[in-house]
Amino acid sequence: EDQVTQSPEALRLQEGESSSLNCSYTVSGLRGLFWYRQDPGKGPEFLFTLYSAGEEKEKERLKATLTKKESFLHITAPKPEDSATYLCAVQASGGSNYKLTFGKGTLLTVNP
Amino acid sequence: GAVVSQHPSWVICKSGTSVKIECRSLDFQATTMFWYRQFPKQSLMLMATSNEGSKATYEQGVEKDKFLINHASLTLSTLTVTSAHPEDSSFYICSARPLKNTAYEQYFGPGTRLTVT
Repeated sequence: EDQVTQSPEALRLQEGESSSLNCSYTVSGLRGLFWYRQDPGKGPEFLFTLYSAGEEKEKERLKATLTKKESFLHITAPKPEDSATYLCAVQASGGSNYKLTFGKGTLLTVNP
Repeated sequence: GAVVSQHPSWVICKSGTSVKIECRSLDFQATTMFWYRQFPKQSLMLMATSNEGSKATYEQGVEKDKFLINHASLTLSTLTVTSAHPEDSSFYICSARPLKNTAYEQYFGPGTRLTVT
């Protein structure tokens, strides 16, 4: 069974204080690992897809990296508007099943 | 691009009635759409996978006769909660996977808050 564990559950940062969120996963063959951002009462917003170990992707203050067992979402000099829940999900390879298995998320709060 | 809409955004219904939620991909075609539910401070739980023109595949523990899914076109899927009860109150979110073979990510709708009284 595919499993995704995110840590920490919650993280408070001061504006400008860089940090990283962790996503550990076990999957029977990885097709892709996905990062989403979710604001309260909204649907998740797609951020990144990572396909293979060593891959990195960046978007503004966010950078996602991938190893064979975990992924990190690095947040550089965060701003209050980066406050949200960040979700990690995996998709197993093989067949035509494209379903995602999500972690519980990390609630990030950035104080001004 | 990759915009998914849901309607309604919130709905209140009485116990025993049925509610239909629509999910539309606005600027792309999607052969596969997914339905999730999310309880407060919990992650997304997949309910079913819906493929255009075929029957939906339900996850273990999800009652297919209670949660009816129809995927009539490449841009529209509907979820009907039949004979709703208060325990069905939740945040329902759909997602859609673009038709392009190389795209594995899913794009999510804004969600529908269902409250059953």
